[in-house]
Amino acid sequence: EVQLVESGGGLVQPGGSLRLSCAASGFTFSSYSMNWVRQAPGKGLEWVSYISSSSSTIYYADSVKGRFTISRDNAKNSLYLQMNSLRAEDTAVYYCASRGGDYWGQGTLVTVSS
Amino acid sequence: AIQMTQSPSSLSASVGDRVTITCRASQGIRNDLGWYQQKPGKAPKLLIYAASSLQSGVPSRFSGSGSGTDFTLTISSLQPEDFATYYCLQDYNYPQTFGQGTKVEIK
Repeated sequence: EVQLVESGGGLVQPGGSLRLSCAASGFTFSSYSMNWVRQAPGKGLEWVSYISSSSSTIYYADSVKGRFTISRDNAKNSLYLQMNSLRAEDTAVYYCASRGGDYWGQGTLVTVSS
Repeated sequence: AIQMTQSPSSLSASVGDRVTITCRASQGIRNDLGWYQQKPGKAPKLLIYAASSLQSGVPSRFSGSGSGTDFTLTISSLQPEDFATYYCLQDYNYPQTFGQGTKVEIK
């Protein structure tokens, strides 16, 4: 069974940092490019970041560029999102998903508030 | 960035109705478009990829069409489990962009 399980979300103050993790199982993670997608409360979906299977290609949304860093460890079947200088507008459920959209995690909630 | 304009933003329909949702891209995206269904508190679910290909396990009442800039998701006979929010996503280039969503509600 394919599983993507996010962790690391929580409450953080503005300007703080969090590191999200996404643990993959049930498929050949090292062959898949991956995305992070977020959804603010009551809002639509927003693509955040992309990483290719070998980490050779990385993209970010303008809204997070320079503050977020995507990475992966294929040996550990894991995807990461390091989030620094967090703002209130980063409050959202963060999903990891395969590039083709066929696999999604259940999401982890990040709340940025004082 | 490519803008995806999705319409309508919401609709009310009855079980058995035919429902159509459209997405228009601000520039041509070939057929690099997917459709997703999302229910409250759940992750999005891929319904259609490459504009018209049905994802494995998705009921055949869902279909997609279009190419270039104009795309359509059709539900041929709305079922109770289809009440949800639907999004299009262009994956022609990065940044990937979603439509604003269409909430399908019970009439």
